[in-house]
Amino acid sequence: DAGITQSPRYKITETGRQVTLMCHQTWSHSYMFWYRQDLGHGLRLIYYSAAADITDKGEVPDGYVVSRSKTENFPLTLESATRSQTSVYFCASSTLALYEQYFGPGTRLTVT
Amino acid sequence: DAKTTQPNSMESNEEEPVHLPCNHSTISGTDYIHWYRQLPSQGPEYVIHGLTSNVNNRMASLAIAEDRKSSTLILHRATLRDAAVYYCILSFQGGKLIFGQGTELSVKP
Repeated sequence: DAGITQSPRYKITETGRQVTLMCHQTWSHSYMFWYRQDLGHGLRLIYYSAAADITDKGEVPDGYVVSRSKTENFPLTLESATRSQTSVYFCASSTLALYEQYFGPGTRLTVT
Repeated sequence: DAKTTQPNSMESNEEEPVHLPCNHSTISGTDYIHWYRQLPSQGPEYVIHGLTSNVNNRMASLAIAEDRKSSTLILHRATLRDAAVYYCILSFQGGKLIFGQGTELSVKP
């Protein structure tokens, strides 16, 4: 039972490059979420998705793009990475909107 | 969006109960109260959630004030593995969670 996985776990990229972070869940959960966590801070919601082909913005969506063509995958793309996007990114999923969210292990992204 | 207020840090002794407070004075009638915790270098982990009534599960208990303006997460017997940052969160439409700073709990042997 793999649960929810994220790849890569660590990534270093240069300013201006496009980067895609992957998230995959094996539970067929309807809802999926992307958060970022900066050093010493709580998590902030970037985007979320209620089902395949349905996505919506969270608190900090600027500079990010998401898609969800399949229920189990929810990739997050930084179209032109900036240093301010250096962060740890967490993906999460849940069965229904108000049910508990299950988080992945995170991707540590460094933009140089 | 409704906000929560938690102490920055708390200390507890191993094997003793821990009461983690949270204030949410601007909570609306449809906001659920969630608690998550985050161990070092890991993703957050769900602990418990509730709407109006007190809730119990295998991990903890959630006590909600009658006016819903505050709540308390109760760990009945703290262990060293319970040392983490605990987040009190109000969820609303679409299941969006707005995390605050959380309370860093340290547990002394």
